[in-house]
Amino acid sequence: SYVLTQPPSVSVAPGQTARITCGGNNIGSKSVHWYQQKPGQAPVLVVYDDSDRPSGIPERFSGSNSGNTATLTISRVEAGDEADYYCQVWDSSSDHGVFGGGTKLTVL
Amino acid sequence: QVTLRESGPALVKPTQTLTLTCTFSGFSLSTSGMCVSWIRQPPGKALEWLALIDWDDDKYYSTSLKTRLTISKDTSKNQVVLTMTNMDPVDTATYYCARGSIAAAGTRYFQHWGQGTLVTVSS
Repeated sequence: SYVLTQPPSVSVAPGQTARITCGGNNIGSKSVHWYQQKPGQAPVLVVYDDSDRPSGIPERFSGSNSGNTATLTISRVEAGDEADYYCQVWDSSSDHGVFGGGTKLTVL
Repeated sequence: QVTLRESGPALVKPTQTLTLTCTFSGFSLSTSGMCVSWIRQPPGKALEWLALIDWDDDKYYSTSLKTRLTISKDTSKNQVVLTMTNMDPVDTATYYCARGSIAAAGTRYFQHWGQGTLVTVSS
């Protein structure tokens, strides 16, 4: 089955740029989606199809995907961005949804 | 406005069958390109995809749980039901339903989520 690998944690100072990676075999050939989850809340879609943003998501959130790594980039990080972030793909070879293990973003 | 709400028992005993219902509004699951998925999250752990049903009644299941899961929809009631047999304490988790879209190349992502329901498996 397809596996997505995320770093357990990323730390960044306010105002700086956070980059959260999601590794997978030839992930560049798949569409990657990203979710933000704050404690006690349901996940929220922040990026879909590698780099598109749903309405209401700030432009500070962006995504890229190439080769074996997809990246969620959060510019000008704010305290309110502190959350767990999950990448997700739909593995069409097996018709399965797959989530990464999640990355905890800490704003210092 | 799209809303989803999960309902079901908060506590089940080992070996019992869990039945969860997702009741939604703001969309029709008979509309082309729509899908509803179940996703769970054990306390303090990551999200785990369980099952998905498409607008045309195609169904997909997690390989590791396939023998225990059944997903179905009742379009007239705007509901999706998930049953999971032979429950075990390791199945203790918050269970979410989410509305997804079938995008280009068949990918699916989930832009609307319910608030989740915590299911504890214990005798």
